[in-house]
Parts: sequence; C-alpha cells; structure tokens
Amino acid sequence: AQKVTQAQTEISVVEKEDVTLDCVYETRDTTYYLFWYKQPPSGELVFLIRRNSFDEQNEISGRYSWNFQKSTSSFNFTITASQVVDSAVYFCALSDRGSNYKLTFGKGTLLTVNP
Amino acid sequence: GAVVSQHPSRVICKSGTSVKIECRSLDFQATTMFWYRQFPKQSLMLMATSNEGSKATYEQGVEKDKFLINHASLTLSTLTVTSAHPEDSSFYICSAGKKVNYGYTFGSGTRLTVV
Repeated sequence: AQKVTQAQTEISVVEKEDVTLDCVYETRDTTYYLFWYKQPPSGELVFLIRRNSFDEQNEISGRYSWNFQKSTSSFNFTITASQVVDSAVYFCALSDRGSNYKLTFGKGTLLTVNP
Repeated sequence: GAVVSQHPSRVICKSGTSVKIECRSLDFQATTMFWYRQFPKQSLMLMATSNEGSKATYEQGVEKDKFLINHASLTLSTLTVTSAHPEDSSFYICSAGKKVNYGYTFGSGTRLTVV
C-alpha cells in the first residue's frame, strides 16, 4: 500500500535560516510520482514540484531544492534563506499505478518563519 | 496552463439544506477530477474520483448519497452536500490534471460552514 510520512509536524525558524522538510514514502510500484505542495493560510494548494521515479536528479528552483533518494525512499525539500512568506503547510504526496494514480498525501508540515 | 476554478470559496448554510460546489478546468479538458475534504490542521482526505460521463468512485467510508458528484462535461464537476449537518462543515477542495500522472492542479477550495 502507498504511504507518505512527514515526521515533522511543525517547524519554526527565524528568517534567513535554511530549513529542510522531510518526506519518506512507501510504494510497491516501480513507476511512481512524487509531489510537493504548499498550502498557505488562505487554503489553496500550490503545486511546487513533480518528480517521477526514474529521475533521481536533484532539482533547484530559486531558493527551493529537492533531494530525491530512492535508496532511502525519501524526497526531502529544502528552503534556503527562508522568508516570512514561506510560512505555510507543506504536503508531500505520492501517486502510483497501484492507486490508479490517485494522490496519497502525507500529514503535512507546518512551517513558521519568524521575522 | 492547467487552471482549476472552484466556486464558491465560502458558504454558510442552514442544517438540512443542500449546497453545491463547482469545480471547473478552465484551459484543459479533465476526464477525471478529484474531491477532497480537509479538517482543520489535518491532511487532505480523498472523498471520490469524478469521472466524466459516468458515476463517481467513492472512497471507503464516504456516503455517496450524502455527497453527490456529477461530472457532466469535460470541464465541470460538481459536489452537492445534501441535507447538510454541522459535522459536514469542512474545507472541500477539488483537483484535476491533464493526464493522471502529470500532476494535479487544485482549486482554491470551498470553506463550508453549516449552522
């Protein structure tokens, strides 16, 4: 069965600190997709990244970077030089063939960036 | 591209009445849409998969007679909460994707309050 674990329920940092959000997943499929979404206080889910299981290259987008390691079934998300606007709940999610590509979400990590 | 519009963003209704929430894909055709429910400080729970031209597929434990889903066209899915009760108060959010494994765009969500 599919499972996504975000062990960090809440993280609080001071502006300009780097912060890493952890995500560990479980799946029996060899083809699967991993996602990160941001949910600010307004509620909408903002897509951040999609990664397929065959592409283990790390990705950087501005202050955001993602580290995908199949060996440890992890897809961690790092924010460099955090800003107050980064404060939100961040969800890691998985879709695979076994779930008919429905998204399985982790429980989310509430990130608070203090000025 | 891949914009999903959800309406209304907030609704307050009286117990016993029904409420309809619309989810539209604005710039692409979505044969499949998903409906989620989110309680405060919790993750997203998939309620059902909405299939264009056919019956929705409900997740275990979700009352299909309570949460009516209609996907009459390739760009519109509706969720009707029938005979609403205060315990139905929640944040409802839809999503759609061009292809199921390409990632999903989420609507902005609907905050339902039943009084």
